[in-house]
Amino acid sequence: QKEVEQDPGPLSVPEGAIVSLNCTYSNSAFQYFMWYRQYSRKGPELLMYTYSSGNKEDGRFTAQVDKSSKYISLFIRDSQPSDSATYLCAMRRMDGQNFVFGPGTRLSVLP
Amino acid sequence: DTGVSQDPRHKITKRGQNVTFRCDPISEHNRLYWYRQTLGQGPEFLTYFQNEAQLEKSRLLSDRFSAERPKGSFSTLEIQRTEQGDSAMYLCASSMSGGQGYTFGSGTRLTVV
Repeated sequence: QKEVEQDPGPLSVPEGAIVSLNCTYSNSAFQYFMWYRQYSRKGPELLMYTYSSGNKEDGRFTAQVDKSSKYISLFIRDSQPSDSATYLCAMRRMDGQNFVFGPGTRLSVLP
Repeated sequence: DTGVSQDPRHKITKRGQNVTFRCDPISEHNRLYWYRQTLGQGPEFLTYFQNEAQLEKSRLLSDRFSAERPKGSFSTLEIQRTEQGDSAMYLCASSMSGGQGYTFGSGTRLTVV
């Protein structure tokens, strides 16, 4: 079992839809959680960064962390075709420096 | 500052050849990371520097791989005697100590033929 699991998709939604992306993980020591967006043939771009459990909102994006269930989510409201990309979750321990990434979910937002 | 720069963007090499990649981090960032990403997978950690000191190396970093960060500025990643399994995107990222998350470069795509 991989440390971080993510449905690879592809996930196709119509423009304007609310998108829900999820990751599960097995290591209860993870404390820092990130979501990255990666366009084809580009490096990952940081979207959201959260510490421990709770919610964080930034514009159309909301990140949720439920440490008791070892489950994190990213919600995208009013999705746009420009949101079409691969979304990667990543997490690390309090005492670690390297992040462990999920395999990514490929999202297509159709106009 | 234009972000994290990586050079070259693409490299095609024959099996058995040595290759070297360069990463220029964001100038005020003291931490630098190398990751490898294969198709359909997330990035996998290779190694990390704080200033010029290499503080952590993954088991993925075999003896054929070496990374340096002289003077705590740019970094190089060298792969000796390349194998077809080394074909991947090599990503560099940088951050400040205590910072939130990394900034990644666009990567170097290596193809070993």
